[in-house]
Amino acid sequence: QVQLVQSGAEVKKPGASVKVSCKVSGYTLTELSMHWVRQAPGKGLEWMGGFDPEDGETIYAQKFQGRVTMTEDTSTDTAYMELSSLRSEDTAVYYCATGTGRGAFDIWGQGTMVTVSS
Amino acid sequence: DIQMTQSPSTLSASVGDRVTITCRASQSISSWLAWYQQKPGKAPKLLIYKASSLESGVPSRFSGSGSGTEFTLTISSLQPDDFATYYCQQYNSYFTFGGGTKVEIK
Repeated sequence: QVQLVQSGAEVKKPGASVKVSCKVSGYTLTELSMHWVRQAPGKGLEWMGGFDPEDGETIYAQKFQGRVTMTEDTSTDTAYMELSSLRSEDTAVYYCATGTGRGAFDIWGQGTMVTVSS
Repeated sequence: DIQMTQSPSTLSASVGDRVTITCRASQSISSWLAWYQQKPGKAPKLLIYKASSLESGVPSRFSGSGSGTEFTLTISSLQPDDFATYYCQQYNSYFTFGGGTKVEIK
């Protein structure tokens, strides 16, 4: 079955960038549409963006446009999410998530805690 | 952007209770709605997709209904393992989550 394994926790200073990885096993990355969701401490889930198979392009939530870049390395079946110009409000758990045909996200990574602090 | 509004934000209930959570979309999303359960420190788990389809392995006490702009998640008989936070998500136009409903022990 599909498994998503994410990189470890990060601590960054305000203004820095962070790059989180998500390694796929059980499928190839080209068979999936990978998305990224974040959750600030004690808060709800927030979709950041992901791959739109209808357009063949990566789409970003308006809130993150210009600050987030999602990429894929198909040779290693690893997806990446890079967020720049970090601020304290970006402190959150970042999840990669994908669907295997239901439209919704039936497979999730374990989450990566990103802490932004001076 | 489509907004999703869940109610209530917190729900106190006892084991065996029938529990209903509501989710409203700011515009019609047909049946493109999912429900997730999340426990502290864990990733969300898909329970229901396409408004009423039960994900494989999810107990049958969970059910979903609705279409258009109004949806409900029902737990027919609350079990100890069901105390968690529940989120709805639309996937008609990009993706949006509701604010969540925490189901706590009464």
